[in-house]
Amino acid sequence: AQSVAQPEDQVNVAEGNPLTVKCTYSVSGNPYLFWYVQYPNRGLQFLLKYITGDNLVKGSYGFEAEFNKSQTSFHLKKPSALVSDSALYFCAVRPISGGYNKLIFGAGTRLAVHP
Amino acid sequence: EAGVVQSPRYKIIEKKQPVAFWCNPISGHNTLYWYRQNLGQGPELLIRYENEEAVDDSQLPKDRFSAERLKGVDSTLKIQPAELGDSAVYLCASSPVAGSFNEQFFGPGTRLTVL
Repeated sequence: AQSVAQPEDQVNVAEGNPLTVKCTYSVSGNPYLFWYVQYPNRGLQFLLKYITGDNLVKGSYGFEAEFNKSQTSFHLKKPSALVSDSALYFCAVRPISGGYNKLIFGAGTRLAVHP
Repeated sequence: EAGVVQSPRYKIIEKKQPVAFWCNPISGHNTLYWYRQNLGQGPELLIRYENEEAVDDSQLPKDRFSAERLKGVDSTLKIQPAELGDSAVYLCASSPVAGSFNEQFFGPGTRLTVL
């Protein structure tokens, strides 16, 4: 079965420190990979995506993500966290075969950045 | 550019009552999605439209859920009758082109509470 795992329910980081939110996936072939962020009472906002090419992808608000094919991971990173980064983060994959524009989401990781 | 619009934002009903949600996608977006997001989980696809055609409704509980997208623009998702387990956030999303790696744009969602 195709799935996405976000092993941490919550990540706590001090402001100014680097942050990592983990994501691993299990799908056939080489999927497209996405990160979305959800603020309270708002819809999901797109952060970044990996389609092909350079394994390090840069996105909105200073976030980046590293694709690792051998580990089937797509971890979200930021060099210096801000309190305003506190939100719910979702990793999603779109299988290239069969899934045809269907996103499979992880359960989400809540990021808490403390002053 | 206006985002995806959903209404109502919140709805509280008693079980066995009908309920409907409305979505207006971003102008020019041919593909429209309805997702259900249960508490503490990522969104799960219910149905996907390409223009006015439902091309993936395999996850839609057809005994009580129905959806339509007349004229290929806005869409309505209906539940009749609602059950306690239907309490969730219902998200609408749109994207410009089907079968592509474009990201999906999400609305703020409708939070349904079934008592």
